[in-house]
Amino acid sequence: SAVISQKPSRDICQRGTSLTIQCQVDSQVTMMFWYRQQPGQSLTLIATANQGSEATYESGFVIDKFPISRPNLTFSTLTVSNMSPEDSSIYLCSVAYRNTGELFFGEGSRLTVL
Amino acid sequence: QKEVEQNSGPLSVPEGAIASLNCTYSDRGSQSFFWYRQYSGKSPELIMFIYSNGDKEDGRFTAQLNKASQYVSLLIRDSQPSDSATYLCAVNAGGTSYGKLTFGQGTILTVHP
Repeated sequence: SAVISQKPSRDICQRGTSLTIQCQVDSQVTMMFWYRQQPGQSLTLIATANQGSEATYESGFVIDKFPISRPNLTFSTLTVSNMSPEDSSIYLCSVAYRNTGELFFGEGSRLTVL
Repeated sequence: QKEVEQNSGPLSVPEGAIASLNCTYSDRGSQSFFWYRQYSGKSPELIMFIYSNGDKEDGRFTAQLNKASQYVSLLIRDSQPSDSATYLCAVNAGGTSYGKLTFGQGTILTVHP
């Protein structure tokens, strides 16, 4: 499986600010995704990061709040905009392999919004 | 609404016993099924996936799938304290939606010496 690196691993942010999370994969992958895990909860898919085009967002998530970029097959960013305490979560970058559908996660970025 | 339900925990088993984790799903068209292990403060780690009805074994882990009953389970044989974690069941609709998983709420497993 690919090695998926995320930065930052954790951060404490002030209400109203924005933070960009970076995801770097050590090999070219077709499918990249961003998931969120709120405290004590399971994982929820935010969006599919499409290479060279706009991300595809799941119901309940919008581009203005979670802009995503994917300039190439190994790198993506997720920005959490105008943060509120409700955005305090772990944000996880993930990659999937078409032949098996297996999904692998990065280490996650733990955000705390004060 | 696609839902994935896991048996309520926490589940506590003695070392060496078999731990049984269960999961049901509502979308009858679901094609692939995954079990993840998540240690506290860590990201989910893929243990097994299964596509076909029946059993799939990998070491101490066995995944069981029954599509007619919309049921998938994970058995952990010879449980070890290091197996103590949250286990997440995840379901994928298949087709072009690979990578887009619906997760259950997780079952906390504790293996006590």
